[in-house]
Amino acid sequence: AQSVAQPEDQVNVAEGNPLTVKCTYSVSGNPYLFWYVQYPNRGLQFLLKYITGDNLVKGSYGFEAEFNKSQTSFHLKKPSALVSDSALYFCAVVGSGGSSNTGKLIFGQGTTLQVKP
Amino acid sequence: GAVVSQHPSRVICKSGTSVKIECRSLDFQATTMFWYRQFPKQSLMLMATSNEGSKATYEQGVEKDKFLINHASLTLSTLTVTSAHPEDSSFYICSARVGNSRSSYEQYFGPGTRLTVT
Repeated sequence: AQSVAQPEDQVNVAEGNPLTVKCTYSVSGNPYLFWYVQYPNRGLQFLLKYITGDNLVKGSYGFEAEFNKSQTSFHLKKPSALVSDSALYFCAVVGSGGSSNTGKLIFGQGTTLQVKP
Repeated sequence: GAVVSQHPSRVICKSGTSVKIECRSLDFQATTMFWYRQFPKQSLMLMATSNEGSKATYEQGVEKDKFLINHASLTLSTLTVTSAHPEDSSFYICSARVGNSRSSYEQYFGPGTRLTVT
């Protein structure tokens, strides 16, 4: 079965420090991976995606993610966290097979990022 | 670009009534729209996938007669919660997909609708 796991419910970092939000996936075939951010009572905002090509993907607001096929991971990173980065982050994947025809996303359970001043 | 709007942002209704939520893609044509439900501090639960001009595909466990989805045009999809009950209270989010190619798999999300059934 296709799935996405975000092993940490919450990540706490100090402002200015690097941050990592972890994501691992399980799909058949080549994965198409995404990161989204959600602020309270808002919809999701697209941050970045990996379809093919370079394993290091750069996205919005200074975020980047590294695709690691051998470890089936797609961790979200930022070199220097801001208090305004505090939000709920979702990793998602579109697998191959039937779901790829509609582009149905499979979401992880979400990780709350708390950046303290 | 790729802006999705939802209306209303918040609605309170009485038990037994029906509520319609609109999802519009403002600056693009959406071949596929998705409807999600989200409980507090939880992930998104896909309810249904909607393609313009055809019947929506519902996920397992979602009552199609209760959650009516209409995708009448390439820029508008509606979700109607019929005979709403307090347990239907939730945050409903729609999203739209820009194209059909694998390079366009990202979905653009609306701001969500908070439904409270009293």
